[in-house]
Formats: sequence, structure tokens, C-alpha cells
Amino acid sequence: DAGVIQSPRHEVTEMGQEVTLRCKPISGHDYLFWYRQTMMRGLELLIYFNNNVPIDDSGMPEDRFSAKMPNASFSTLKIQPSEPRDSAVYFCASSLTSTAPGELFFGEGSRLTVL
Amino acid sequence: ELKVEQNPLFLSMQEGKNYTIYCNYSTTSDRLYWYRQDPGKSLESLFVLLSNGAVKQEGRLMASLDTKARLSTLHITAAVHDLSATYFCAVLTGTASKLTFGTGTRLQVTL
Repeated sequence: DAGVIQSPRHEVTEMGQEVTLRCKPISGHDYLFWYRQTMMRGLELLIYFNNNVPIDDSGMPEDRFSAKMPNASFSTLKIQPSEPRDSAVYFCASSLTSTAPGELFFGEGSRLTVL
Repeated sequence: ELKVEQNPLFLSMQEGKNYTIYCNYSTTSDRLYWYRQDPGKSLESLFVLLSNGAVKQEGRLMASLDTKARLSTLHITAAVHDLSATYFCAVLTGTASKLTFGTGTRLQVTL
């Protein structure tokens, strides 16, 4: 099992540019989560999907953020336009609720730096 | 709004010593997780506690849950350097798999 795969691992961009983060969940998992981690705010849940359908996006900070899950094996988190305060590590995680609700498997994260 | 608080936020301890990390949460939940994060790395699930009085142990770590007090503890016995990491508790709420994470406790075990 390859685990949750995220790309890119690191991204440095300039303010105003569009950023797209990608995630491939573990095959068969029915939930997918996007978290953001910063020193100041800790781990924040941005949005999560169940069977590719967005369930709760109340954590998405602004309209500049959007997330999609077009199929069971792929999700994107887009920031447009990016701002310096978006600099953080973005984690994608997936879980299988039928056997272990709440046991999330995290990807390695995408470290975003917006200059 | 659910709040999950941990203390201490930072813990420096010598090898061989014992200590406890506390996790308090503000709403009813019967499922609590502990995760570990090494510096610059991802998060890894350590324990899931499913009911009041649940206790789980692995190696030098033991976690317990008191749902009436809304409190979980992570006890470290005879700490070793390899335990240095940040530990998070996380509370499951609602019918979905929505986890709310605590603030994290950064543990540093010195030689």
C-alpha cells in the first residue's frame, strides 16, 4: 500500500500566483480531508469529502480557496490568488469509516511558501 | 464550538523520567485518538480510545480516556530520546469522521 500521496512536497511562489496542491488517497478509503498546519494556528481542518462529495467546507478560510474531488483517487486544493499568510504545510488524509472512523492516514504534506 | 486543549505545550524531560500529557475537550465524544508527528514529517496514529475507562499501551506510552471528565492522558514511562516528537490528541465528533485536533505537545527527551 503506497499510502496517501501528495504533490508537490514543496512549493515556493509569489503573491498573487495560483497554487494547486494534489492528493491521492489510499485506495478504498471513503473519506478525504485537507488540513493546514501552522505554528500559530496548529492543525486546522479545511474541508472533507465523503465518497467524493464535499461534506463540510466551513474551515476553508476564504473564497480564494477551493477544493475538488473529481473521482475516488484524486483531489485538489487550489489557492487563487495566493497570499503570504497562506504559507503553511497542507496535509491530505484519508480514512475508511466502516472499520476505523477517525483513524486518519496522512500524506507527507505540501509545504507552501508564498513570498 | 469544540475545543481541544493539551498541556503542557512543550515538555523537556530527561531520559528515564516519567511524565503525563493531558488532553481536555469541551463536548461529548466517545472516541479519542492520539497521533505522533516527528519534526518535518507527517502524522501517525498511535492509539484510539473508544469508551470510558479505555486504556491502551504500547511500549513506553500509555493512553487513557475518561469521557465523564472529558479528559485523556498520555503517560510516558522511562522516556527515551526516540520518543522526542509532537503528540496530538484528536476528538471525533458527529457521525462523520471529523477530527478536531488539540494544540499539540512538543516533547523533547534529553540524554
